Amino acid sequence: AQSVAQPEDQVNVAEGNPLTVKCTYSVSGNPYLFWYVQYPNRGLQFLLKYITGDNLVKGSYGFEAEFNKSQTSFHLKKPSALVSDSALYFCAVRPLSGGYNKLIFGAGTRLAVHP
Amino acid sequence: AAGVIQSPRHLIKEKRETATLKCYPIPRHDTVYWYQQGPGQDPQFLISFYEKMQSDKGSIPDRFSAQQFSDYHSELNMSSLELGDSALYFCASSSGLAGNTGELFFGEGSRLTVL
Repeated sequence: AQSVAQPEDQVNVAEGNPLTVKCTYSVSGNPYLFWYVQYPNRGLQFLLKYITGDNLVKGSYGFEAEFNKSQTSFHLKKPSALVSDSALYFCAVRPLSGGYNKLIFGAGTRLAVHP
Repeated sequence: AAGVIQSPRHLIKEKRETATLKCYPIPRHDTVYWYQQGPGQDPQFLISFYEKMQSDKGSIPDRFSAQQFSDYHSELNMSSLELGDSALYFCASSSGLAGNTGELFFGEGSRLTVL
């Protein structure tokens, strides 16, 4: 079965410090991987995706993610965190069979950036 | 740019009542997805439609039904509402054309409260 794991319920970072939000996946074949961000009472906003090619993908708001096939990971990173980055972050994988782009989400990680 | 429009944004119902949520996808998007997000939970896939036909089915209860209309908007019909149906319901859309790499664009959600 295809699945996504986000091992941390919450990540706390001081403003200006680098941040990492972890994600590991379990899929057969080559995965399509995504990161979404959710602000309180809002919809999910697309941040970035990995389809193929360069393992380091850059997305919105200065975020990037590194695809590591051997470790089956797709960690979200940002060199310098902002207080406004505080939100709920979801990693997602696209199943390879059927689903017309249906996404399966991880449990989410709450990022708290302190001034 | 036009986004996914969901209505109503908030809905309060009594147990055993019915509710209908509407979703208007981004123009020229032909695929619609419905997700349910309970309090503190990750979004759970309910059902999707491509070109007005059901394309995939997830954890949608038998009490719920959905359809996509000729103008590509979709409606989620929920009957015999239960307390556990209280959640944020997201609609997302994408283009189902071959080669699409799969990011979904989400609406702001409809919050259903069942009393």
